[in-house]
Amino acid sequence: AQSVTQPDIHITVSEGASLELRCNYSYGATPYLFWYVQSPGQGLQLLLKYFSGDTLVQGIKGFEAEFKRSQSSFNLRKPSVHWSDAAEYFCAVSVGSNYKLTFGKGTLLTVNP
Amino acid sequence: EPEVTQTPSHQVTQMGQEVILRCVPISNHLYFYWYRQILGQKVEFLVSFYNNEISEKSEIFDDQFSVERPDGSNFTLKIRSTKLEDSAMYFCASSEQPGGRHEQFFGPGTRLTVL
Repeated sequence: AQSVTQPDIHITVSEGASLELRCNYSYGATPYLFWYVQSPGQGLQLLLKYFSGDTLVQGIKGFEAEFKRSQSSFNLRKPSVHWSDAAEYFCAVSVGSNYKLTFGKGTLLTVNP
Repeated sequence: EPEVTQTPSHQVTQMGQEVILRCVPISNHLYFYWYRQILGQKVEFLVSFYNNEISEKSEIFDDQFSVERPDGSNFTLKIRSTKLEDSAMYFCASSEQPGGRHEQFFGPGTRLTVL
């Protein structure tokens, strides 16, 4: 069955530390890949997306993600986390011409001062 | 910056009652979506809508649900007879173009509590 897995429910990092949030997908074809962030009381904001081409994509707020076809992964990274990055992060995929996004369960990021 | 808005932010209703959740998509967008997130679970697709008709819907979107674009700005989700299990955060989204390739812009959500 098609699925998106975010294995880490909750991650805590110290401010200034590096961050990697994991995302794996299970689809027959290469999907379109997205990372969204949700701050408390806010909607889902797109951080970055991958459609094709360079497998390392840059997004807003200093985030980047790397698509690895061999591992069916699209992990999100940031070299130095800021306290304002505390939020919930969702990986999402879409396949072909389907309208819908399929989301992972999300990873809650806590940033310690 | 244009944004998707949703009202109300929180709706409390009794089981069996009808609720209407409202969304105002970004003005030049033509494709509209509803998603929901039950507490502790994934964000799930409900329905997409274009040109006054449903483009795609999930198995969750049964006869109790309906969507409408009653005027040029609003996009609504109606639940005819709410059940306890309909308690969730409901997100509206819109996009300029269809399909997963194009960014969907999300509203802040409406938290629906069914008692």
